[in-house]
Amino acid sequence: AQTVTQSQPEMSVQEAETVTLSCTYDTSENNYYLFWYKQPPSRQMILVIRQEAYKQQNATENRFSVNFQKAAKSFSLKISDSQLGDTAMYFCAFMGNNNNDMRFGAGTRLTVKP
Amino acid sequence: DGGITQSPKYLFRKEGQNVTLSCEQNLNHDAMYWYRQDPGQGLRLIYYSQIVNDFQKGDIAEGYSVSREKKESFPLTVTSAQKNPTAFYLCASSIRNAGSQHFGDGTRLSIL
Repeated sequence: AQTVTQSQPEMSVQEAETVTLSCTYDTSENNYYLFWYKQPPSRQMILVIRQEAYKQQNATENRFSVNFQKAAKSFSLKISDSQLGDTAMYFCAFMGNNNNDMRFGAGTRLTVKP
Repeated sequence: DGGITQSPKYLFRKEGQNVTLSCEQNLNHDAMYWYRQDPGQGLRLIYYSQIVNDFQKGDIAEGYSVSREKKESFPLTVTSAQKNPTAFYLCASSIRNAGSQHFGDGTRLSIL
């Protein structure tokens, strides 16, 4: 079974600075999807960014970008120019290509300090 | 606007009682999911359904039941067999085999 590991339970960053959240996963599949979701205090789950494993180019969405290292099974999230509204739990997730069973990591609580 | 609606937002259950959490989507998505989230933890899959009248157990299906009679609806029943039901429950949907899931706002279930 696939597993997703987020080794940083909590992190903090100063406003306007850059922070990187780590995620590793374990799978024997070659084609799959990886995601970062944000869960603010309101408890909504908001998709931040998505990466398809067959694409070598790292995904980017405005201030959010990933460093996808397929061989190392690593999928880190970089947040540039951090804003107070980025304060939230961040979950890394994996989904295989042949099913809709999404696996989540335990999350990283990010606090952006003014 | 398209989206996923979960109701109620807060729910209380008495000992020995079954309760049903509602999840409705108007995104025309084929696949729907139920997750449980405990404090400080990630999401764990309870059940999922890829088409109408079909569903599969996730990692923690014991004590829960679902139905999928309509594409738009995927209700979750927390039965009395679920001994520790206090948690935050999230419903999601997606285009089948297309990756990202869209989530509802969740239901918080507590024991009286």
